[in-house]
Amino acid sequence: SQTIHQWPATLVQPVGSPLSLECTVEGTSNPNLYWYRQAAGRGLQLLFYSVGIGQISSEVPQNLSASRPQDRQFILSSKKLLLSDSGFYLCAWSRGQQSSEQYFGPGTRLTVT
Amino acid sequence: AQSVTQLGSHVSVSEGALVLLRCNYSSSVPPYLFWYVQYPNQGLQLLLKYTSAATLVKGINGFEAEFKKSETSFHLTKPSAHMSDAAEYFCAVSDRLGNTGKLIFGQGTTLQVKP
Repeated sequence: SQTIHQWPATLVQPVGSPLSLECTVEGTSNPNLYWYRQAAGRGLQLLFYSVGIGQISSEVPQNLSASRPQDRQFILSSKKLLLSDSGFYLCAWSRGQQSSEQYFGPGTRLTVT
Repeated sequence: AQSVTQLGSHVSVSEGALVLLRCNYSSSVPPYLFWYVQYPNQGLQLLLKYTSAATLVKGINGFEAEFKKSETSFHLTKPSAHMSDAAEYFCAVSDRLGNTGKLIFGQGTTLQVKP
């Protein structure tokens, strides 16, 4: 069966510090991968998605970047965090077909102080 | 382009009462539709999905949803609410452009279950 991992589970970082969140998927190959953010009291915002190694599409301009160095690894980064980067970050994967559901990881709670 | 609207950001029901969470979609092509549930500080979990087979879709935890093309709706129901159903619920429609697998989510509905 497939499993998706995210770490860390929680993170408190000062403004201006770098960020690296990691997501890995087990039990499947060539998944489509997604990063979402949930700000407090708001819905899901798609940040990035990837259909293959090294292929990253950005959905909104922002202070963040994403990379996919391996087939089942997706990394979300920032060089300098802003207060507005606080939120709940979710990674998800799908089989990439139009009828495919997405499977979500447990999330990372990021607080920028 | 596809879009989803969830009517009611908060719904409150008594334990044992009917749960009805509303979702309307907009799509220029036959849609693929999904309902997810999110418990506090957790990821989203798939409840059910519609992919053009039966219009009444049964999901986990006693939930079901009916696809109504004439009303462009995909409302989620459960006959009898449990306290454990208290959570945030998201309706989503598949982005039918290419094979990105992207989903377009509604803003979510928070379900409160009162004892």
